[in-house]
Amino acid sequence: QSALTQPASVSGSPGQSITISCTGTSSDVGGYNYVSWYQQHPGKVPKLVIYDVTNRPSGVSSRFSGSKSGNTASLTISGLQAEDEADYFCGSFTKYNSLVFGGGTKLTGL
Amino acid sequence: QVQLQESGPGLVKPSQTLSLTCAISGDSVSSNTATWNWIRQSPSRGLEWLGRAFYRSTWSTVYALSVKSRITINPDTSKNQVSLQLQSVTPEDTAVYYCAKSSAWEEYVQAWGQGTLVTVSS
Repeated sequence: QSALTQPASVSGSPGQSITISCTGTSSDVGGYNYVSWYQQHPGKVPKLVIYDVTNRPSGVSSRFSGSKSGNTASLTISGLQAEDEADYFCGSFTKYNSLVFGGGTKLTGL
Repeated sequence: QVQLQESGPGLVKPSQTLSLTCAISGDSVSSNTATWNWIRQSPSRGLEWLGRAFYRSTWSTVYALSVKSRITINPDTSKNQVSLQLQSVTPEDTAVYYCAKSSAWEEYVQAWGQGTLVTVSS
């Protein structure tokens, strides 16, 4: 049950696109289409932005998209805006009937 | 829409037991599809899933290996709550603790409590 691997930080400029990776194993990310992504602003509760690898909850901007290849999932944010500056965490269901999260990625530069 | 509210002491001494309660409104703790998770967050450990309880004709719990020997999650059907107990705490257990809901076949956090900061210190 090791944490999923994310880059510690990524940087972007307004209007650009960035992609955050999330690497696990065949026991979690690679084994199930249950990858989710959460956005967290300082002092706030995490907010779901992607579930089941590619799905966006109602109310989440279409600028957020998700994908997966093998044991690595990715979150892409296009047309970056100032309010996108936040921490992003990935999560996955595992074969142990548990959840596991990534260490988080800080998006800066906006 | 489900709402979750954590409560409990904000300060716990080392070696003692951390006890938190999650009050559930807008759903039933005994729902056959809901899963009740405890997750914590600290600067050093990030988001860490601790365990879950769920009712699928019978009650079951699953715990993270990292805390399995110290953790108990119990539902309280009379109060529509779920509790967390973590024994023998150390300063490493200092974190914001969240109660969170997921569902069968929907394995992502659909709802979070507001979180409660627990500090382990003498």
